[in-house]
Amino acid sequence: NAGVTQTPKFQVLKTGQSMTLQCAQDMNHEYMSWYRQDPGMGLRLIHYSVGAGITDQGEVPNGYNVSRSTTEDFPLRLLSAAPSQTSVYFCASSYSTVTYEQYFGPGTRLTVT
Amino acid sequence: QQQVKQSPQSLIVQKGGIPIINCAYENTAFDYFPWYQQFPGKGPALLIAIRPDVSEKKEGRFTISFNKSAKQFSLHIMDSQPGDSATYFCAAIPSSNTGKLIFGQGTTLQVKP
Repeated sequence: NAGVTQTPKFQVLKTGQSMTLQCAQDMNHEYMSWYRQDPGMGLRLIHYSVGAGITDQGEVPNGYNVSRSTTEDFPLRLLSAAPSQTSVYFCASSYSTVTYEQYFGPGTRLTVT
Repeated sequence: QQQVKQSPQSLIVQKGGIPIINCAYENTAFDYFPWYQQFPGKGPALLIAIRPDVSEKKEGRFTISFNKSAKQFSLHIMDSQPGDSATYFCAAIPSSNTGKLIFGQGTTLQVKP
């Protein structure tokens, strides 16, 4: 199993550009989520999904969109990038909503200039 | 909206020392309190977790102590090694079974040889 994969590993955007961060898992997990990691702030939940076709907002959803058309994929879209979105983004998955073990991808480091 | 507060932000110990990382939470309706370990350039990975009805849990050199009345829990690393150098996050799982993880701010640990 590849586990949770994320692409790209690094990305530089100009203010106002849009892009999609890709996330895929091959563990048939129902639950998937996106976090951003900033120094001194820990990991903050952006959006999450409890199954295909079902998504909901986390703590910091503004400026981001998600969709979940398949169990495997959970892309994160930045609609109009801003310097405040410079961060490291992690995708995670778990087999259900009642487990405390989430499997994280390797992360995408995004810089917005 | 930070419901889990973690300290210290960084910690340096000598090999063999016992680093202690503390967390406090503000909401009583949590089901589990996991700890995640993150090495540079990698995603976090589950280290150990405890339920709120248990006062202590050990797994190898890692021990969680839990004080329900004080709403505090801590991670102790016995006989710390340079390979333990990483960022450690405490987290809490709300009882709503949404799968959300609420993370602390993180502690960067350096174990000197």
